[in-house]
This record gives sequence, C-alpha cells and structure tokens, in this order.
Amino acid sequence: QVQLQETGPGLVKPSETLSLTCAVSGGSIASYSWSWIRQPPGKGLEWIGNIYHSGTRYYNASLESRVTISLDTSKNQFTLNLTSVTAADTAKYYCATLTYEYGSKWFDPWGQGTLVTVSS
Amino acid sequence: DIVMTQSPDTLSVSPGERATLSCTASQSVRSNLAWYQQKPGQAPRLLMFGASTRATGVPARFSGSGSGTQFTLTISSLQSEDFALYFCQQYNNWPTFGQGTKVEIK
Repeated sequence: QVQLQETGPGLVKPSETLSLTCAVSGGSIASYSWSWIRQPPGKGLEWIGNIYHSGTRYYNASLESRVTISLDTSKNQFTLNLTSVTAADTAKYYCATLTYEYGSKWFDPWGQGTLVTVSS
Repeated sequence: DIVMTQSPDTLSVSPGERATLSCTASQSVRSNLAWYQQKPGQAPRLLMFGASTRATGVPARFSGSGSGTQFTLTISSLQSEDFALYFCQQYNNWPTFGQGTKVEIK
C-alpha cells in the first residue's frame, strides 16, 4: 500500500514561494499519478493540480499562473511550488494518489497533510 | 466549474440509526462521483468511487447510489466511529468537492 508524507515550512511570508514535498513509500512514483489538494481552516477541499506518471500536468485554472508540480524520481517524491502567496493561501495542504478506472477518478490514499500559514 | 452541493450541512443521528447524505451536481457527472470521510485532524479517507463501489476495507453499512446530478451516501446503522465529516467529489474534467456534511451524535 502506497503511503505519502508531506513536508515543508509551516510559515511562509506574503509574496514568497510556498514549497512542499510529498515523499512516497511502498510504491514507485513512476507507476502512479499524483495530486495536491488544500483545505483552508474550517473550509472545504480545493484541488490544486495533478501530475501524471507521464509527466503531464493539469492545474486548477484559478491557481495555474502560480503553481508548479514536479516529480523527483531519484528521491521517489513530488513537489508543489506556489508563488506570490497571500493570506488566502493559508491552508492544510495534502498530497494524494490519483486513481482512475472505469472512466472515473478519485484520490486514494492521502498524506496526513501539512498546515501552511502565510503571515509576516 | 461543476458545483457540488451537499445537504444537509449537519445531520444529527442517534447511534444505530440510518443516515442519508445527499450530493447534487450543477451538471451531469455521470457516475464520476466519490465520497470521503474525514475525522478531526485527519486526512480524508476514500469511502466510495464510481458513485456506488465501496473502497477496500469500507464496511458494508456504507452504500452509495445515484448518477447524473443526484447522489446519496447511506450509512445503514451508525456506529460511534462513523460520526465525522463527509465530502463528495466529482471528476468530470477537473475535480471539485462538496462543502461537506457533518454527521453528529443526536
């Protein structure tokens, strides 16, 4: 069973870049597709983007100009970079495995999540 | 964007009773619908995909139904561990989530 663990700074200053890493164990990163999802405090879930094992990326249109998701196959991990952050980017950030079968797609499993606060 | 609306926002149920959660899509998502359970401080856990297929390890008291724009998650007899927040998620072109239904002890 694949397991995921997010790491990164818990505090980022406004206008700076948020960088998170998701370490994958129990499976090869080259064999699956991956996603980042976030949840502002007390609010619902927002999809950030996907990176397929082919390297193809798709991003939420509302974040596309600021987001980059990358694979690091040598370390079996993938990363999220979000530039020019504001307080609105304060959220718990989750990485997840994107699964697709029978014309349907879902996220399973998820990492435990990491809280990132944007504040000076 | 496809907007997912869940109802009710909060459902108060006694242990052993049946709980019925609804999820409505602003346009058809066929059967491309998943349900997740989230407990405080934890990551969401997949319960159902393809609208009605239980994920591995999910008890049979959980069932899902629906297609198109109307979906239901039913918990036939609530156990103490089922009191949690439940989200639906569609993935037609890109994914969106409902705002969640909190199932609380009555």
